[in-house]
Amino acid sequence: AQRVTQPEKLLSVFKGAPVELKCNYSYSGSPELFWYVQYSRQRLQLLLRHISRESIKGFTADLNKGETSFHLKKPFAQEEDSAMYYCALSNRDDKIIFGKGTRLHILP
Amino acid sequence: DARVTQTPRHKVTEMGQEVTMRCQPILGHNTVFWYRQTMMQGLELLAYFRNRAPLDDSGMPKDRFSAEMPDATLATLKIQPSEPRDSAVYFCASGSTEGTQYFGPGTRLTVL
Repeated sequence: AQRVTQPEKLLSVFKGAPVELKCNYSYSGSPELFWYVQYSRQRLQLLLRHISRESIKGFTADLNKGETSFHLKKPFAQEEDSAMYYCALSNRDDKIIFGKGTRLHILP
Repeated sequence: DARVTQTPRHKVTEMGQEVTMRCQPILGHNTVFWYRQTMMQGLELLAYFRNRAPLDDSGMPKDRFSAEMPDATLATLKIQPSEPRDSAVYFCASGSTEGTQYFGPGTRLTVL
């Protein structure tokens, strides 16, 4: 079964500390993984996707097929990073399967 | 900068009433998705369309929910009759050919 698991519902991190939002997936083929972000009172938007290998707003995510993980990382948290983060997987027929999300709260 | 639009942004209604939510996808996108977001369940896919044809509505309670795309610029999600447990934020998203989904601002529905 295709599934995306985000084990943490809430993650609180001090400003300036490193951030790691965990994501594990189960998928039988070659997955395409995404991170979406939803800032307060805004729409969901794509943060990054694994095939582009970009760093967006200081965030990176590496696909680890051995561990079936796609954790989102940032070395130094900023207050504006507070948001809801969704890990997602594409099964290549247009559908995207979302995890339940992790709320990141950056403490001053 | 093209964006998905949704109306209404907020809807408060009484149990038993019909609710219709509308979505205008980004021009040129051939897939449209309806999601429901709640605190408990997160984002749930309700239905999606490709080239206006419904492909999957297995996430939708069939007895009360219906989704249609009368034309390429309009997708609708209807609940009849509405129930308090339908209270949630409903998002529409349209998909580009390279797989990214672009979300609308959502409709916050409250059923009393």
